[in-house]
Amino acid sequence: ILNVEQSPQSLHVQEGDSTNFTCSFPSSNFYALHWYRWETAKSPEALFVMTLNGDEKKKGRISATLNTKEGYSYLYIKGSQPEDSATYLCAGPGGGGGADGLTFGKGTHLIIQP
Amino acid sequence: NAGVTQTPKFQVLKTGQSMTLQCAQDMNHNSMYWYRQDPGMGLRLIYYSASEGTTDKGEVPNGYNVSRLNKREFSLRLESAAPSQTSVYFCASSEWNRGRGAFFGQGTRLTVV
Repeated sequence: ILNVEQSPQSLHVQEGDSTNFTCSFPSSNFYALHWYRWETAKSPEALFVMTLNGDEKKKGRISATLNTKEGYSYLYIKGSQPEDSATYLCAGPGGGGGADGLTFGKGTHLIIQP
Repeated sequence: NAGVTQTPKFQVLKTGQSMTLQCAQDMNHNSMYWYRQDPGMGLRLIYYSASEGTTDKGEVPNGYNVSRLNKREFSLRLESAAPSQTSVYFCASSEWNRGRGAFFGQGTRLTVV
């Protein structure tokens, strides 16, 4: 089982501010790193799948970077809006490769305050 | 395109009863998964199936069995439900070589009394 840790556990951000949070994972046997967005009363939705060291992906105001050598990924949100309020999860597949089940971190709960 | 469909959405069981949670996907994915979500614990993997005909235990498999009926369907069975199995269950599917991440069903809220 992969050990995936996220910080902080929760975060309050003023509307319009930018923010970022961290996902840490073992750097050995790395296969892929996923980011998901999970809104209350809905199901998790994939944001990014990252596989290469130095990867940077972007979707609108949300972007993510990956450092596989040191075992971390950052998720950035620029100009936070109330609709960004959600729990953001990172996850990685087990040591057997991409088809193994994903192990999720406990998430960062983001609240955007108007 | 329905994606991942789970049934039922809600269920109340008495301790000792059995039930099967159904999951089907229409995206031709090879991999399918069952997770449970508990407060403070996040999503924990119960079982997964990397391809039709194979199943493997995840982090919390005790008290559960699974069947990969065909490529589309992956069911989760509770043989003798216990209050500790009260949780929200999510089915998911993915195709790793497409690099798009997993797709989740809408969840089943199960209460065991």
